Amino acid sequence: GENVEQHPSTLSVQEGDSAVIKCTYSDSASNYFPWYKQELGKRPQLIIDIRSNVGEKKDQRIAVTLNKTAKHFSLHITETQPEDSAVYFCAASGNTPLVFGKGTRLSVIA
Amino acid sequence: NAGVTQTPKFQVLKTGQSMTLQCAQDMNHNSMYWYRQDPGMGLRLIYYSASEGTTDKGEVPNGYNVSRLNKREFSLRLESAAPSQTSVYFCASSEFASKDEQFFGPGTRLTVL
Repeated sequence: GENVEQHPSTLSVQEGDSAVIKCTYSDSASNYFPWYKQELGKRPQLIIDIRSNVGEKKDQRIAVTLNKTAKHFSLHITETQPEDSAVYFCAASGNTPLVFGKGTRLSVIA
Repeated sequence: NAGVTQTPKFQVLKTGQSMTLQCAQDMNHNSMYWYRQDPGMGLRLIYYSASEGTTDKGEVPNGYNVSRLNKREFSLRLESAAPSQTSVYFCASSEFASKDEQFFGPGTRLTVL
């Protein structure tokens, strides 16, 4: 079955800097890659997703890139703000339900 | 619309007790899921229901049972709770079982003593 690895597990950045979180997946049939944000004590919520027919997708300060050949995808957050502090999860899905990475705890230091 | 709702929000059980976690969605979604979240382990799928009338095991099904009561409701039962089942449980739903955004409930924090 699918296996999703996520790095790093923790990440601290200064406010205004960029943050990058990377994920790899194992199943070449996977073609949907969402990213979820979970604030402390809250439920995970989708922030951006990408499908395998595109290589990059942007939404304001957030972007996701996908390299299907290498089986990896990344989340990029630019101009980080304190409210970006949260746990971020990547996930992958092909013909089966989403498989999640273990998460990255992002801390934005003011 | 309430989205995905779960009850209870918190629960403390003694080892060996049983309980049922309830989940309901009002988005007319076909698929529903139960996850557990433990520190450093991410979201692990316990069971899912791709459509009304079907259920399938996920990554960590042992010690749990599920019932898809109707299209709206999906319950998770612990028959004989163990301390290893102390966790935060999330229910989620989506239009389709794969390649689709999942919407999560607020979670149930369960402690088994």
